[in-house]
Amino acid sequence: QKEVEQDPGPLSVPEGAIVSLNCTYSNSAFQYFMWYRQYSRKGPELLMYTYSSGNKEDGRFTAQVDKSSKYISLFIRDSQPSDSATYLCAIRDSNYQLIWGAGTKLIIKP
Amino acid sequence: SQTIHQWPATLVQPVGSPLSLECTVEGTSNPNLYWYRQAAGRGLQLLFYSVGIGQISSEVPQNLSASRPQDRQFILSSKKLLLSDSGFYLCAWRQSNQPQHFGDGTRLSIL
Repeated sequence: QKEVEQDPGPLSVPEGAIVSLNCTYSNSAFQYFMWYRQYSRKGPELLMYTYSSGNKEDGRFTAQVDKSSKYISLFIRDSQPSDSATYLCAIRDSNYQLIWGAGTKLIIKP
Repeated sequence: SQTIHQWPATLVQPVGSPLSLECTVEGTSNPNLYWYRQAAGRGLQLLFYSVGIGQISSEVPQNLSASRPQDRQFILSSKKLLLSDSGFYLCAWRQSNQPQHFGDGTRLSIL
């Protein structure tokens, strides 16, 4: 079992829809969770950074952590074509190294 | 503000040739620096990281090496490239307990 699992997609939704992106992880000791957005031929860009359980909101983006289920989510409201990208979840281990999901390719159709 | 530069953006090299990719960070001091490789449709694989000048940790055995000759400079090298070295190489930096931030990567093709 991989330490972090993420469905690679692609996930295709119409413009304006609410998008839900998810990752599961195996180590209950993990506490720091990140979401990165990566456009084609570019480096990953940090979107959200959360600690422990709960929700964190930033504009149209909400990151949610459920430590009891070992499940993290990224919600995008009012999705736009410019949100089309690959979204990577990353979890920081006790050595400050990141464990990465495979990334979900998101396509927002105009 | 901090910025990170990677070059070149694209590189095509023959098998057996040497490699040198450079990464520099501006606007911060004594950052932790990272080299990753990303295969198509996959997550990031950590290759090397450095906590200071001359200090390099290798995560996977491979045909590559890294060096940190200056505080904000990180270099990825190879003496003889293999076909399997093709990929997208990313440099990242981190300060204290903050998240990592990435450069725009180098797409390396080996012919």
